[in-house]
Amino acid sequence: DTAVSQTPKYLVTQMGNDKSIKCEQNLGHDTMYWYKQDSKKFLKIMFSYNNKELIINETVPNRFSPKSPDKAHLNLHINSLELGDSAVYFCASSLRTGGSFETQYFGPGTRLLVL
Amino acid sequence: AQSVTQLDSHVSVSEGTPVLLRCNYSSSYSPSLFWYVQHPNKGLQLLLKYTSAATLVKGINGFEAEFKKSETSFHLTKPSAHMSDAAEYFCVVSDLRNNAGNMLTFGGGTRLMVKP
Repeated sequence: DTAVSQTPKYLVTQMGNDKSIKCEQNLGHDTMYWYKQDSKKFLKIMFSYNNKELIINETVPNRFSPKSPDKAHLNLHINSLELGDSAVYFCASSLRTGGSFETQYFGPGTRLLVL
Repeated sequence: AQSVTQLDSHVSVSEGTPVLLRCNYSSSYSPSLFWYVQHPNKGLQLLLKYTSAATLVKGINGFEAEFKKSETSFHLTKPSAHMSDAAEYFCVVSDLRNNAGNMLTFGGGTRLMVKP
């Protein structure tokens, strides 16, 4: 039933570690996104992929590397984690790109805490 | 460039009274506008969206919003608040980035508290 799912839901790790967050959507959508929500609840887009191709990269440090093995999956790998990476990361998907009216459907979020 | 300003970071109402969450936007193009709701420790759920059709948009759970171009506003209202409406609300504007991806810009959020 789940439309956009993320794993893990919670992630606690030490500075300097490398971690991955997985996202899957079963909506048949072409476009997927990663957003970061900071401690003040501010949400900002990080990446967007359309049919496995990167289309938006919002000046995110290159320690963050998204990977899309197929259009239903968009994973986020983070190298050398820093304290400032602590946040909630949301995955989202939309039917297609090319229309500002497209609704984006969000996953439940992954709460990352870097110690 | 586009931006969204939610004028109140916190709004407190009594159960059964009206809700007004204010949002102003700026956009270089004809915008699409959305309201999303985030309940504690949950993901974001779409409440409603405006896409240049009717200026008064009805959403889920009795919420509605009116697009006013002259005021560049998209305020969210509900006639009667319910305890379950307590959550964080985000006003969002959508833009096409180089015709290659719609990009959402979020407002700072408004926390709605509902008192019994």
